[in-house]
Amino acid sequence: GEEVAQTPKHLVRGEGQKAKLYCAPIKGHSYVFWYQQVLKNEFKFLISFQNENVFDETGMPKERFSAKCLPNSPCSLEIQATKLEDSAVYFCASSQSLGAVNTEAFFGQGTRLTVV
Amino acid sequence: RKEVEQDPGPFNVPEGATVAFNCTYSNSASQSFFWYRQDCRKEPKLLMSVYSSGNEDGRFTAQLNRASQYISLLIRDSKLSDSATYLCVVNSQDGGFKTIFGAGTRLFVKA
Repeated sequence: GEEVAQTPKHLVRGEGQKAKLYCAPIKGHSYVFWYQQVLKNEFKFLISFQNENVFDETGMPKERFSAKCLPNSPCSLEIQATKLEDSAVYFCASSQSLGAVNTEAFFGQGTRLTVV
Repeated sequence: RKEVEQDPGPFNVPEGATVAFNCTYSNSASQSFFWYRQDCRKEPKLLMSVYSSGNEDGRFTAQLNRASQYISLLIRDSKLSDSATYLCVVNSQDGGFKTIFGAGTRLFVKA
């Protein structure tokens, strides 16, 4: 597609429930990034993929969070046993390449996760 | 210390004012630099890349000082529609690739 598509737009989960978020990157983009933004605060990098391979997962919490990008499927971010502090907007971005001065990351509209 | 630090803001300015945002980064291996704009409850969108020689796009001018590890964004003749959060973004390739966002600086332009 021509834009990064994230679903769902809003997700409400009770504490302890699982949450699964999806992201379809722009067609032809090799890199996918996930970020967490809590209450309009700064973006926290979670994980990046190069195609279906994890590229950098240094931002991923060690427990409860996992992510995948499988061929011919949207990428996903899954949170097991959600906690109140997981409430945030989760943004996905994709880019064609890395590092070049004119490489732009295109963002999806985000998924707002509310844990109650 | 955060890897990318920005002015805390918010900046409240009248229409027509000139406003400057500053950003510093700690990783000397950083390679590419950007300013993104985020409107309330929306996704960030690229405002401009920052080139070593500095670059201008209409009312917006971006500067990079690699020696000082400092990036700036200047907005001239500010408009009401410039009200947003401005995010300084730095890409580093230092053992791995990272895109680090600053915390953002909120700008309010008033009539």
